[in-house]
Amino acid sequence: ETGVTQTPRHLVMGMTNKKSLKCEQHLGHNAMYWYKQSAKKPLELMFVYSLEERVENNSVPSRFSPECPNSSHLFLHLHTLQPEDSALYLCASSRSVVNYGYTFGSGTRLTVV
Amino acid sequence: AQTVTQSQPEMSVQEAETVTLSCTYDTSESDYYLFWYKQPPSRQMILVIRQEAYKQQNATENRFSVNFQKAAKSFSLKISDSQLGDAAMYFCAYRSSNSGGSNYKLTFGKGTLLTVNP
Repeated sequence: ETGVTQTPRHLVMGMTNKKSLKCEQHLGHNAMYWYKQSAKKPLELMFVYSLEERVENNSVPSRFSPECPNSSHLFLHLHTLQPEDSALYLCASSRSVVNYGYTFGSGTRLTVV
Repeated sequence: AQTVTQSQPEMSVQEAETVTLSCTYDTSESDYYLFWYKQPPSRQMILVIRQEAYKQQNATENRFSVNFQKAAKSFSLKISDSQLGDAAMYFCAYRSSNSGGSNYKLTFGKGTLLTVNP
């Protein structure tokens, strides 16, 4: 158990579907992150939340919609995705955005068909 | 903007031998953090070692050590006495030490796939 739990572990969805990825941490961290990991590319930061407030939206298309209802939970709502959105989506948390001690989850492997 | 380059897409090492993974980075900042992360098949990114740029002494964690060359902007990872469990993707990452703006994000390299042969 890593401290950061992501569900589901795998997800296959059609381009017209709506689905959500969930991330949960009970480490007492106040910052949470979504990263996208595509094959042959560096990890890309998507969103950052600090104390449930979004502080970074790294030019992510609107078909990705994050939600942070409290400091322990982070969601990534997906709708009308494209095949190129297929990737591993990693969630991470840290004590605060200025603290470099990240804890990562095991990711959700998303396939868009 | 900062960039991180890992020039070795794949490396292999014999069990019990030593291997060095390369990383270079580009930044105009003088103070920052550097990291090596390991991603095994379980997919979770695990912190292996970190280095503060203001420290001249190279960081070590058991069998893992770094060679930090600030002037050359080089940050290599040495794994001694390699074990089968060391097989994974290894990512080099950079983070600014400044707290303003979006400097809190980690910038990653593309990774090096390490194979350990028995």
